Amino acid sequence: QTVVTQEPSFSVSPGGTVTLTCGLSSGSVSTDYYPSWYQQTPGQAPRTLMSSTSIRSSGVPDRFSGSILGNRAALTITGAQADDESDYYCILYVGSGIWVFGGGTKLTVL
Amino acid sequence: EVQLLESGGGLVQPGGSLRLSCAASGFTFSSFGMSWVRQAPGKGLEWVSAIRAGGSSTHYADSVKGRFTISRDSSKNTLYLQVNSLRGEDTAVYYCARGMTTSDTRPDSWGQGTLVIVSS
Repeated sequence: QTVVTQEPSFSVSPGGTVTLTCGLSSGSVSTDYYPSWYQQTPGQAPRTLMSSTSIRSSGVPDRFSGSILGNRAALTITGAQADDESDYYCILYVGSGIWVFGGGTKLTVL
Repeated sequence: EVQLLESGGGLVQPGGSLRLSCAASGFTFSSFGMSWVRQAPGKGLEWVSAIRAGGSSTHYADSVKGRFTISRDSSKNTLYLQVNSLRGEDTAVYYCARGMTTSDTRPDSWGQGTLVIVSS
């Protein structure tokens, strides 16, 4: 069974830069996994940030960017703001129509 | 504006069944893949099931395979999830999501969710 891994938590100072990553328990993430990223604040539905590695969804500020770093997908926030404090989830395509979410990263801005 | 409105959640006993619905508007429903994602209380997101635009291709997470059935009715612009043989671990908010394209069922636009509680 495919396990998608994310850092459980991360902290960034306001105005700082943070990179969240998304990996596989076995193997490397590439663009073939169509990594996408979602943001969720408590009590709210998720919001799509990024698809297919680095395509920002409509309305997403350009301080959010996506990439492949080494063997992991990455979401970088440049110039973090207080309202970026959220849970962030990645999703990967593992074949045969199946998608798998990572466990999520709780980002604190302080 | 894409709108997705889930309904059908509630309290159900273990072993019971429910049918979740998702009424879609603001886009051409028949042209997009759709999916269900759930979130147990205090836990992360879990991809559950997806269906391509034509309805003939469906996919399920191992955790629900054989118990859940996804379907869609383009005449009603509605997505369904029939959930049977419910267990405590199925307790979650169930989100409906529009996919990216006809065949790309990856969640793009999200509904607000419907809560399913499995308890005796």
